[in-house]
Amino acid sequence: GQSLEQPSEVTAVEGAIVQINCTYQTSGFYGLSWYQQHDGGAPTFLSYNALDGLEETGRFSSFLSRSDSYGYLLLQELQMKDSASYFCAVRGFQTGANNLFFGTGTRLTVIP
Amino acid sequence: KAGVTQTPRYLIKTRGQQVTLSCSPISGHRSVSWYQQTPGQGLQFLFEYFSETQRNKGNFPGRFSGRQFSNSRSEMNVSTLELGDSALYLCASSQASGSRTDTQYFGPGTRLTVL
Repeated sequence: GQSLEQPSEVTAVEGAIVQINCTYQTSGFYGLSWYQQHDGGAPTFLSYNALDGLEETGRFSSFLSRSDSYGYLLLQELQMKDSASYFCAVRGFQTGANNLFFGTGTRLTVIP
Repeated sequence: KAGVTQTPRYLIKTRGQQVTLSCSPISGHRSVSWYQQTPGQGLQFLFEYFSETQRNKGNFPGRFSGRQFSNSRSEMNVSTLELGDSALYLCASSQASGSRTDTQYFGPGTRLTVL
């Protein structure tokens, strides 16, 4: 089976840096994605790691280490609008499938 | 380009009824995937359609079914509704199926409440 574990809640101060971890157990996958979801909204794509290492997209960076079965999303210069739920997700080795397996989700609260 | 649209946005049904939800993907996208989101189970994959064919199915009972039309629009149907089917149903579209890097774009979802 597959599992992706994330901390359920994280609180951070506006302007600070926060890291959201994702540890996984899966037999194989193409890469690790991160999605953001505001309350009542749709998940929106943030970042994707096909290879080990760091990917940077503006204030957001994502990291993957397949040897450690671990990834994280790094949010810099936090803003109040970053308060949302964040999900890591993998696409498994299933030919011709768009089957995203999502993590448990982390609710980030940014405080002034 | 317009984003993924889902109709209706909100739906209230009673146990035993059936429901049909609709999803229109981004223009040019041929793959539509459906997900169920609940507080207890999180985001779970239901099925994917590509070129009118179901490519993959998640671990849901046969009461959950879907189809895709030639214009890539997709519908999902839930028969004999149960209280536990109350959830946010999300569809996501992407250009291809099985691409290692293709991004999925989600619609706003349909909030289904079963009474």
